[in-house]
Amino acid sequence: EVQVLESGGGLVQPGNSLKLSCATSGFTFSTAWMYWYRQFPEKRLEWVARIKAKSNNYATDYTESVKGRFTISRDDSKSSIYLQMNNLKEEDTAIYYCATTGVAYWGQGTLVTVSS
Amino acid sequence: DIVMTQTPLSLSVAIGQSASISCKSSQSLKYSDGKTYLNWVFQSPGQSPKRLIYQVSKLDSGVPDRFSGTGSETDFTLKISRVEAEDLGVYYCCQGSYSPQYTFGAGTKLELK
Repeated sequence: EVQVLESGGGLVQPGNSLKLSCATSGFTFSTAWMYWYRQFPEKRLEWVARIKAKSNNYATDYTESVKGRFTISRDDSKSSIYLQMNNLKEEDTAIYYCATTGVAYWGQGTLVTVSS
Repeated sequence: DIVMTQTPLSLSVAIGQSASISCKSSQSLKYSDGKTYLNWVFQSPGQSPKRLIYQVSKLDSGVPDRFSGTGSETDFTLKISRVEAEDLGVYYCCQGSYSPQYTFGAGTKLELK
């Protein structure tokens, strides 16, 4: 059974940083391309970042609004991915989900609230 | 970015009735490999999203055959026959043909009449 579990969310002030983690099991993580999505308070869903596998040199992609502020990474030995979020803005407030390729499997999400 | 337009945004149905949701993309979703990467994702209240259908019409494991997906190129439809209480929530169409920039429709809220 595929399992995806996010952690690390919380309340932060604008300009501060936060690092999200996503632990997985039940599939061959090392060859999987992994994604972060977010869901805004109004329920809109948005793709945030993607990281490819080692065979693709761990290439990364980001949605335009987070480029230069967010960094996606992975640790194949722990079947986990991460999202380092710097210089957070109020508009980054959302539930952040980790998911597998093709939006096939999602975690339960972790809430990030950016507010002074 | 590819824009996904869903209609209606809200749908009231009685248990046992059928429901239909339309999704239109701003560009063809037929990929260079000949496949069309259109997904339907369901979110029940307080839960995380769950994929129901991929590549237009393929049901994920465990999804009842009351659900069906049709369409091609830019026009797609999700149909639920004999709606049950567990089907109430929000349905999103989602394109993956222009990966990594998956884009989602605004969502259709299925409510009880």
